[in-house]
Amino acid sequence: GEDVEQSLFLSVREGDSSVINCTYTDSSSTYLYWYKQEPGAGLQLLTYIFSNMDMKQDQRLTVLLNKKDKHLSLRIADTQTGDSAIYFCAERAYYGGSQGNLIFGKGTKLSVKP
Amino acid sequence: GAVVSQHPSWVICKSGTSVKIECRSLDFQATTMFWYRQFPKQSLMLMATSNEGSKATYEQGVEKDKFLINHASLTLSTLTVTSAHPEDSSFYICSARDPGVPAGEQYFGPGTRLTVT
Repeated sequence: GEDVEQSLFLSVREGDSSVINCTYTDSSSTYLYWYKQEPGAGLQLLTYIFSNMDMKQDQRLTVLLNKKDKHLSLRIADTQTGDSAIYFCAERAYYGGSQGNLIFGKGTKLSVKP
Repeated sequence: GAVVSQHPSWVICKSGTSVKIECRSLDFQATTMFWYRQFPKQSLMLMATSNEGSKATYEQGVEKDKFLINHASLTLSTLTVTSAHPEDSSFYICSARDPGVPAGEQYFGPGTRLTVT
């Protein structure tokens, strides 16, 4: 079945760049997403990329997609303490009778040290 | 961006009672809403897909008689945890898909923390 893998922890210093990596298994995924979850809160959509794109940039966020290797990454430039959160990678499932629900990774906890 | 609200944000109930959680899309009509459950320090687990005007589709292993889902309008879906037990304590999150958006991204509610004593 579909599976999304992420490393669980990442620690960086304020001002550095953060790179969060994700691998997925469903080659038919059309959209891949990055969500941010702060403690005790719901998920906030950060950005998404369509599968026919290699890169998408949105202010401090850069998403890279290697469809051949099924590898997705999120780069946060000039990481701030407010970026500390859990980041979830997700792919949109298309199989059988599914209605395009999202398959989530376990999340990467980003800690930003001042 | 689109806004999805959940109510209540947290609830404490006694074992054996039922709890209803509401999920509303505030500025768009959502034909499809999703209910997730998140255990501490874990990912989101999809429980069911809720379609307006029809029965919900439950994921394998989720008891449909325990987790009742109703999607009576295009802006409201409810999840009722019936005869709650301590093991039902969790963070429940709903999401709604905006059909007018090509990428079909889901917008998430802030979550409801359920504690069953």
